[in-house]
Amino acid sequence: EAQVTQNPRYLITVTGKKLTVTCSQNMNHEYMSWYRQDPGLGLRQIYYSMNVEVTDKGDVPEGYKVSRKEKRNFPLILESPSPNQTSLYFCASSAPGLERYEQYFGPGTRLTVT
Amino acid sequence: SQQGEEDPQALSIQEGENATMNCSYKTSINNLQWYRQNSGRGLVHLILIRSNEREKHSGRLRVTLDTSKKSSSLLITASRAADTASYFCATHYIISGSRLTFGEGTQLTVNP
Repeated sequence: EAQVTQNPRYLITVTGKKLTVTCSQNMNHEYMSWYRQDPGLGLRQIYYSMNVEVTDKGDVPEGYKVSRKEKRNFPLILESPSPNQTSLYFCASSAPGLERYEQYFGPGTRLTVT
Repeated sequence: SQQGEEDPQALSIQEGENATMNCSYKTSINNLQWYRQNSGRGLVHLILIRSNEREKHSGRLRVTLDTSKKSSSLLITASRAADTASYFCATHYIISGSRLTFGEGTQLTVNP
């Protein structure tokens, strides 16, 4: 089944404790992206990647890091989480090179930073 | 911000009625997409309309695009309680490469 998976689905952590949210897709998509969703603010893009070893900042990259060492994986790293990073996070992928611009979303990771 | 704007923010209708949601955007686009999100879950792609298209259908969904007004609408006909969800438009701007810019969404409630 074609899908985007994220782990963990739920995470409660404390300020300053480094964490990683994994994202993996099995559709051989070149493009992957991370979004955060907050009430009243819609989806905002954090980082995106056009292909392996190619990443770029989205609209709200501060406090986040990403890497793209393999085509299927695109982890999101919070080196020193803060309470304002409490949010619902989504990973997505697509195949723009095939003009398949629709994005496939993971199930989401609900992060709470206390 | 180039974020699209959706209207209305919330819509409540009875089963069987039609639901119309609107999306406005700011600059030239390659395509515009509509997504659906059930509460707290991942977004699901519904339909894509390219900048050179004016109308597109998919089942009970009808999307229109007016590039002169920089706006799009999503019509859901004969709505069902299962259509209750948030609906987002996402614009693929020409200048933004492969990125999509999402609106804030319309919360649709269909009452049985």
